[in-house]
Amino acid sequence: EVQLVESGGGLVQPGRSLRLSCAASGFTFDDYAMHWVRQAPGKGLEWVSGLSWSGTSTGYADSVKGRFTISRDNAKNRLYVQMNSLRTEDTALYYCVKDKNRYYGSGSFDFWGQGALVSVSS
Amino acid sequence: DIQMTQSPSSLSASVGDRVTITCRTSQSISRFLNWYQQKPGKAPKLLIYTASSLESGVPLRFSGSGSGTYFTLTISNLQPEDFATYYCQPSYSTPFFGPGTKVDIK
Repeated sequence: EVQLVESGGGLVQPGRSLRLSCAASGFTFDDYAMHWVRQAPGKGLEWVSGLSWSGTSTGYADSVKGRFTISRDNAKNRLYVQMNSLRTEDTALYYCVKDKNRYYGSGSFDFWGQGALVSVSS
Repeated sequence: DIQMTQSPSSLSASVGDRVTITCRTSQSISRFLNWYQQKPGKAPKLLIYTASSLESGVPLRFSGSGSGTYFTLTISNLQPEDFATYYCQPSYSTPFFGPGTKVDIK
């Protein structure tokens, strides 16, 4: 059974940093691209970032480019996102998401975690 | 950049109804279009990928069609558990999602 478990969310002040982690199990982690998708309270889905199976190819939404960094540790079956210079508009539930394919550009999201809540407020 | 519209934004339907949701893109994306279902308080679930392929475990009353710039998701014989929000998503270049269609009970 595929499981994706996010951790690291919380309340943070604007301008500060936070790192989310996702523990993956139930599939061959280094065979698939992975993503972060977020959902602000009461809003729709927003793709945040993705990376290929090897971690060598990454992509970011314009809204987070230059502030967020996605990475993965295939030996530990973990996905990360380092979020710097956080803004109030980054407040959202952040989902760790598995891709059906190896490359993030294809973006077909077949398994989702339950999400980690990030609240950015002074 | 590809622009996308999804319609309607919401609809009311009854159990047993046939429901159709559409997504249109500003340029051709071939068949690279996915559909997701999200229930309140839950993570989204992939229903349809590459326009018409049914994800494993998804009931046969869900179907997708289309190519190029016009796509549809059809739910035949709507069931109580189908009341949810549905999102389309081009799986082409940089991923993004449509604004969603909320299906609620008439």
